[in-house]
Amino acid sequence: DAGVIQSPRHEVTEMGQEVTLRCKPISGHDYLFWYRQTMMRGLELLIYFNNNVPIDDSGMPEDRFSAKMPNASFSTLKIQPSEPRDSAVYFCASSFMWDGSGGYTFGSGTRLTVV
Amino acid sequence: GQQVMQIPQYQHVQEGEDFTTYCNSSTTLSNIQWYKQRPGGHPVFLIQLVKSGEVKKQKRLTFQFGEAKKNSSLHITATQTTDVGTYFCAVSVYNNDMRFGAGTRLTVKP
Repeated sequence: DAGVIQSPRHEVTEMGQEVTLRCKPISGHDYLFWYRQTMMRGLELLIYFNNNVPIDDSGMPEDRFSAKMPNASFSTLKIQPSEPRDSAVYFCASSFMWDGSGGYTFGSGTRLTVV
Repeated sequence: GQQVMQIPQYQHVQEGEDFTTYCNSSTTLSNIQWYKQRPGGHPVFLIQLVKSGEVKKQKRLTFQFGEAKKNSSLHITATQTTDVGTYFCAVSVYNNDMRFGAGTRLTVKP
C-alpha cells in the first residue's frame, strides 16, 4: 500500500477563495481523521469518519469548514471562504480503530497558505 | 475536558547524551501512543502502550506507561543526530478519540 495520500502538497491561495484538500486513506482502514497543525495550537483534530460517516466534527472551527467522505477511498476538506488564519499544515490520517490501536498512519500533509 | 501535558517543550542535547520526554494526563487513559515528526515531515507512529506499568523498548528508545495509566515517558539513550524531531504522545480516554500532546522538540548537536 502507498500509505495515506494527500493532495496537493502545497497550496497558496488568496483570501476569500475556496480551498479543497484531498485524502486517500489506506485501504481497509475504517477510520479517517483530519488534523490541522500550527505552531500555536499544535495538532488539532478537526473531524473524523467511521465507514465514511462523520462521527465527531466538534473540532471544525467554523461553518467555513466542511468535510466529506463519499466513499471508503476518498475524503475532502473544504474551506470556503478561506482566511489568512486558516494557514496551517493539514494532515489526513487513517487507522483500523477509532482509538488508533496499531497507530494512526498520517499522510504527508498539505501546507496551506492564505494570503 | 481531557488534558494532556507534555514536557519539556524543547530539549537541546549534545550527541551521545540521553533524552526523556514526559506525558501526563489528568484522567486515566485506555492507551497511549508515541509519534515522531521529523522537521518538515508528518507524524510517524512509534509504539502503543496499553497495560499499566508497561515497558517497551525499540533499540535505543524505551517507553513506559505509569502504574496508574495517567502518565508515560519516552527515553532515548545516547542520542544521535537522526533522533532530531518532535516527539508527540497521543492519548485515548475510554470511549474517546485520540488527542495529541503539544510535543517535545529535540535538537541534537553533533
